[in-house]
Amino acid sequence: GQQLNQSPQSMFIQEGEDVSMNCTSSSIFNTWLWYKQDPGEGPVLLIALYKAGELTSNGRLTAQFGITRKDSFLNISASIPSDVGIYFCAGRASNTGKLIFGQGTTLQVKP
Amino acid sequence: GAVVSQHPSWVICKSGTSVKIECRSLDFQATTMFWYRQFPKQSLMLMATSNEGSKATYEQGVEKDKFLINHASLTLSTLTVTSAHPEDSSFYICSAAGGLLNYEQYFGPGTRLTVT
Repeated sequence: GQQLNQSPQSMFIQEGEDVSMNCTSSSIFNTWLWYKQDPGEGPVLLIALYKAGELTSNGRLTAQFGITRKDSFLNISASIPSDVGIYFCAGRASNTGKLIFGQGTTLQVKP
Repeated sequence: GAVVSQHPSWVICKSGTSVKIECRSLDFQATTMFWYRQFPKQSLMLMATSNEGSKATYEQGVEKDKFLINHASLTLSTLTVTSAHPEDSSFYICSAAGGLLNYEQYFGPGTRLTVT
């Protein structure tokens, strides 16, 4: 089946630093999504990408849909303590609406 | 917009009993709802997809007779865990899609199920 490889698995950074995480797949996706999940909560949609090469920003967050359609990255600039959480990438390959999730990147920010 | 609620937020039940979890899209009509389960420190695993008025489509390995899904309206889907066992203890999360903004999935806050 389709799988997404998300890296790094975890990050521990200093407040103010920039963060980068990425997802790769052996399959082509038509849509890439990035979610953030706080402990005990459901994931919250951060950014949605629909076209190869698309670069989209949401505040301090920037994500890109890879040209090959098999990868995506998420950057967070000038991290703050409230950025702490688990970030998941998700890809959708067909019109069924089903998403395939990455394993998640746990981000910890030291004030 | 695109707010999804779940009820209850947590539940403890005894082994052998059944538990119903509700998922509601509060400000949009969801043509499709999805049910996931998530174990600690793991990613979300899709259990089933349901479209309003039709039978749910279950993922491979998910027992349809154990996890009953009903999607009776465009704003409500329910998941019933029947004859629950301790290994069913997990975090169950629903998502809804089909809002006016786009077709992306918006997630509920999750339900923590503990079976004793």
